[in-house]
Amino acid sequence: NAGVTQTPKFQVLKTGQSMTLQCAQDMNHNSMYWYRQDPGMGLRLIYYSASEGTTDKGEVPNGYNVSRLNKREFSLRLESAAPSQTSVYFCASRDPGDSLDNQPQHFGDGTRLSIL
Amino acid sequence: GEDVEQSLFLSVREGDSSVINCTYTDSSSTYLYWYKQEPGAGLQLLTYIFSNMDMKQDQRLTVLLNKKDKHLSLRIADTQTGDSAIYFCAEKRGSGTYKYIFGTGTRLKVLA
Repeated sequence: NAGVTQTPKFQVLKTGQSMTLQCAQDMNHNSMYWYRQDPGMGLRLIYYSASEGTTDKGEVPNGYNVSRLNKREFSLRLESAAPSQTSVYFCASRDPGDSLDNQPQHFGDGTRLSIL
Repeated sequence: GEDVEQSLFLSVREGDSSVINCTYTDSSSTYLYWYKQEPGAGLQLLTYIFSNMDMKQDQRLTVLLNKKDKHLSLRIADTQTGDSAIYFCAEKRGSGTYKYIFGTGTRLKVLA
């Protein structure tokens, strides 16, 4: 019962390097999300994908790109990493569910990314 | 505004009740959630409440919603050391798939 799986769990990059964070879910959910978590700021939405083949910007998209490769996978790419992108990154998925629209998000365990 | 606010820290003794508070600003919120985050892990859903309810109880957890004051609380009865974690409230605004706003999180420390 894997749920949402993120890889890697930890990564250290140098400024200017590129990196792709991977996320996969096995719950057949339509919607997937990428958040970053910073101290004292809660979770902020970077990008989301309402369904396979669609992606949209969230609150803090600058410096990131995403790919919804198929229904299971949603990756986040940093093309040229900056120290301000040091954070914990969480992927989540959700099934839009019935008309009550009450389905919660399910989260992965996070990727801890440090940029020097 | 977008803010969902929580106090940063709460410390209680084992066996006491914990009350974690959250205030939000948008009256269009449809669902409000409480998540628990343990060290090194993701967010785990604890409970949620629909905006037309004022109370929901689930074992040791009681959620109270005051829609007039836009205030949400989570009460944990008989708090245990395993309840030590960060607790996030989150609101879902309107219909659709993406508009979740998270609070800053409250770090609960349970003293033995």
